[in-house]
Amino acid sequence: DQQVKQNSPSLSVQEGRISILNCDYTNSMFDYFLWYKKYPAEGPTFLISISSIKDKNEDGRFTVFLNKSAKHLSLHIVPSQPGDSAVYFCAAQTEEGSARQLTFGSGTQLTVLP
Amino acid sequence: DAGVIQSPRHEVTEMGQEVTLRCKLISGHNSLFWYRQTMMRGLELLIYFNNNVPIDDSGMPEDRFSAKMPNASFSTLKIQPSEPRDSAVYFCASSLAYGEQGTGGYTFGSGTRLTVV
Repeated sequence: DQQVKQNSPSLSVQEGRISILNCDYTNSMFDYFLWYKKYPAEGPTFLISISSIKDKNEDGRFTVFLNKSAKHLSLHIVPSQPGDSAVYFCAAQTEEGSARQLTFGSGTQLTVLP
Repeated sequence: DAGVIQSPRHEVTEMGQEVTLRCKLISGHNSLFWYRQTMMRGLELLIYFNNNVPIDDSGMPEDRFSAKMPNASFSTLKIQPSEPRDSAVYFCASSLAYGEQGTGGYTFGSGTRLTVV
């Protein structure tokens, strides 16, 4: 039972256009959401996050939107660049016990075409 | 800071053999997470430790899998005996236990690509 779902395994976008990656979750206890980016042969690296008390967070070309009522978040990349081609993982966080555990989605492969 | 270091980077082994994956945490981090990445399920949490103590191992697929933290900076994930369906990329990540919320305080290693033939 996946609590964090990324229903699009892949996405192709033309350079300069907007990339929109989507993520849905089922656990209402999640209180923080993150996006990680992964290049081949490397570990995932943190990209951007958003608290459940906000509905938008922006960092340069990257913006994350959170719709709590729909249990949905999205990552917008504008403008998209070829170097953005990577696998993007959505992750959700809840404080359980003594560590803030992350639950990841299955990832979306973004390809930005030059 | 060298980051989280995993070894080996690649491992090819025959079915039935024992496999040991290794992970060195970032100095000062006291939480350690083992993840497995597969095409079907993405990143799955296998087990995590806090201050060397296993907190949740519910993600460990079977008794063939075991993980240890013999000290604060090092962890092993062992599969014995290994099976072809264990083939995947295994990542470890470290963080501060009460890492600042949402900073993405997890730091991942580069992973070990395991192939069991």
